[in-house]
Amino acid sequence: DIVLTQSPDSLAVSLGERATINCKSDQSVFDNFNYKNYLAWYQKKPGQPPRLLIYWASARESGVPDRFSGSGSETDFTLTISSLQAEDVAVYYCQQYFGRPPYTFGQGTELEIK
Amino acid sequence: EVQLVESGGGLVQPGRSLRLSCAVSGLTFDDFAMHWVRQPPGKGLEWVSGINWNSGTIVYADSVKGRFTISRDNAKNSLYLQMNSLRAEDTAFYYCAKVLEGFGELSGAADIWGQGTMVTVSS
Repeated sequence: DIVLTQSPDSLAVSLGERATINCKSDQSVFDNFNYKNYLAWYQKKPGQPPRLLIYWASARESGVPDRFSGSGSETDFTLTISSLQAEDVAVYYCQQYFGRPPYTFGQGTELEIK
Repeated sequence: EVQLVESGGGLVQPGRSLRLSCAVSGLTFDDFAMHWVRQPPGKGLEWVSGINWNSGTIVYADSVKGRFTISRDNAKNSLYLQMNSLRAEDTAFYYCAKVLEGFGELSGAADIWGQGTMVTVSS
């Protein structure tokens, strides 16, 4: 099974500042046939279901503010929030969906306001 | 508007069974693969099981293999999770989720999620 490790486990950022969350896979999730990275990012707030932010490592889901961006390839990925807003306080998860399941999640990164 | 609504959660004793349902509306259900994902209290997200559009591909996490059965009824726009031999460690919020792209196969990000249903396994 593919293991995803996120860093840091928690992060405190001032409003308006940049937040960066990393996700490292123990195997490549890049498909050499379609040149896609099979990685997604989700936002999870208490009492709400997960919300898809980014898929294919860098494609922003419809309706997601453009301050959210995803980057990286193969085994190393990053979610960046360019200018933190109060409503961005949440736990963020990466997930790989490469090949056959299990489609594992990272352990989560808790983002707070400094 | 696409909606996923889970039901069937509750309090159950260890070793007993429970069946979760997920009613889907607002889309052509059999265009999409579906997944169950759970979140134990205070812990992270865990993928549980997935089923492709025609039930031809079904996969489980090792933690539930042999105890849980995923199924779907495309005529009823519904997804199910039959959970047998429940354990305390199965206590979690259970979400059904739709795969983003309509190719019907398992691999894909989950773009629409239900609100979830809580399953508590305790004596």
